[in-house]
Amino acid sequence: DTEVTQTPKHLVMGMTNKKSLKCEQHMGHRAMYWYKQKAKKPPELMFVYSYEKLSINESVPSRFSPECPNSSLLNLHLHALQPEDSALYLCASSLVGGVPVGYTFGSGTRLTVV
Amino acid sequence: ELKVEQNPLFLSMQEGKNYTIYCNYSTTSDRLYWYRQDPGKSLESLFVLLSNGAVKQEGRLMASLDTKARLSTLHITAAVHDLSATYFCAVDRNAGGTSYGKLTFGQGTILTVHP
Repeated sequence: DTEVTQTPKHLVMGMTNKKSLKCEQHMGHRAMYWYKQKAKKPPELMFVYSYEKLSINESVPSRFSPECPNSSLLNLHLHALQPEDSALYLCASSLVGGVPVGYTFGSGTRLTVV
Repeated sequence: ELKVEQNPLFLSMQEGKNYTIYCNYSTTSDRLYWYRQDPGKSLESLFVLLSNGAVKQEGRLMASLDTKARLSTLHITAAVHDLSATYFCAVDRNAGGTSYGKLTFGQGTILTVHP
């Protein structure tokens, strides 16, 4: 299995809703990432997990809450989002043990906040 | 702060022509990636460049890395319509001693190939 699987592919949520994005990989990668991509912009790093521990939080608002329950799963819990949070959310994973030499990106979740 | 700049940002080409996309970055790194993104889709990995002087080719695309000049190029040979997409370069910063990377992307180059 050489894929990163993200669910759902599309999500529409209200500003008072709570929802979660899910990311799964079975490549044995021990670093997992969340990126956010606004329309016509490059992806921007949000969070990095290494060995299931949060290693980087790029000053992301607390309405985004990441979770890494095991080495294969990465979640992003969403609560009280704003319309400007509408974007493509990309999950990625990479090998660890020195220099990561490549990233595998999932197909993304397109989030619309109404 | 690492800055990654691509140019051009928009590129309109005729089929059969050659062109080069440039990627400049502001701090030392010897790991650079090129990705392709089709509208509404995720990122497709094209090239991983891991050392100074690295050159990789796949079909009509060739990428190179000059770490001393902090410059990578993506050269397109005899463009075809199927190459129309957005191309991103990304520089990887490994926070020394850690086991993960940190990608910073260029702004992207929107390539359109016309018949």
